[in-house]
Amino acid sequence: GENVEQHPSTLSVQEGDSAVIKCTYSDSASNYFPWYKQELGKGPQLIIDIRSNVGEKKDQRIAVTLNKTAKHFSLHITETQPEDSAVYFCAASFSGFGNEKLTFGTGTRLTIIP
Amino acid sequence: NAGVTQTPKFQVLKTGQSMTLQCAQDMNHNSMYWYRQDPGMGLRLIYYSASEGTTDKGEVPNGYNVSRLNKREFSLRLESAAPSQTSVYFCAGGAGELFFGEGSRLTVL
Repeated sequence: GENVEQHPSTLSVQEGDSAVIKCTYSDSASNYFPWYKQELGKGPQLIIDIRSNVGEKKDQRIAVTLNKTAKHFSLHITETQPEDSAVYFCAASFSGFGNEKLTFGTGTRLTIIP
Repeated sequence: NAGVTQTPKFQVLKTGQSMTLQCAQDMNHNSMYWYRQDPGMGLRLIYYSASEGTTDKGEVPNGYNVSRLNKREFSLRLESAAPSQTSVYFCAGGAGELFFGEGSRLTVL
């Protein structure tokens, strides 16, 4: 089955700086790569996703890049703000039938230092 | 519009006791999922249901059973709880984007 590794497990950055979280996956058939943000006491919430026919996707301060050859994808957050402090999870799945059996990474706890 | 609702939010059990975690969604999703979240291990899929009347095992199904009662409801049952099942459990619905409930924190003593 799919295996997703995520690094780093914790990350602290100064407010206004950029943060990068990296993930690798093992199954070359995976074609859907979402990122979820989990705030304290809440369930994870999708913040951005990318499919394997696209190399990069951006939404305001958040961007995701995908390298299919190397089987890795990354989350980039620019101009970080205190509200970006949370746990972030990457995930991977083979998507094609409307049924997403996502395999998640182990999470990155991001702390923004004011 | 509550999205995905889980009950209870907190539960303490003794080893060997049974209980059912309830999940309901008002988003008309065909697919529903149960995940468990443990420190340092991310979210792991226990069971999922692609449609009403169907269920399939995920990565860590041992010790659990599920019921897809109707399109809205997907319950997770622990027949004989063990300390290794101490975890936070999340129900989710959707295809593509998953919508998660707020979690049920279960402690087994």
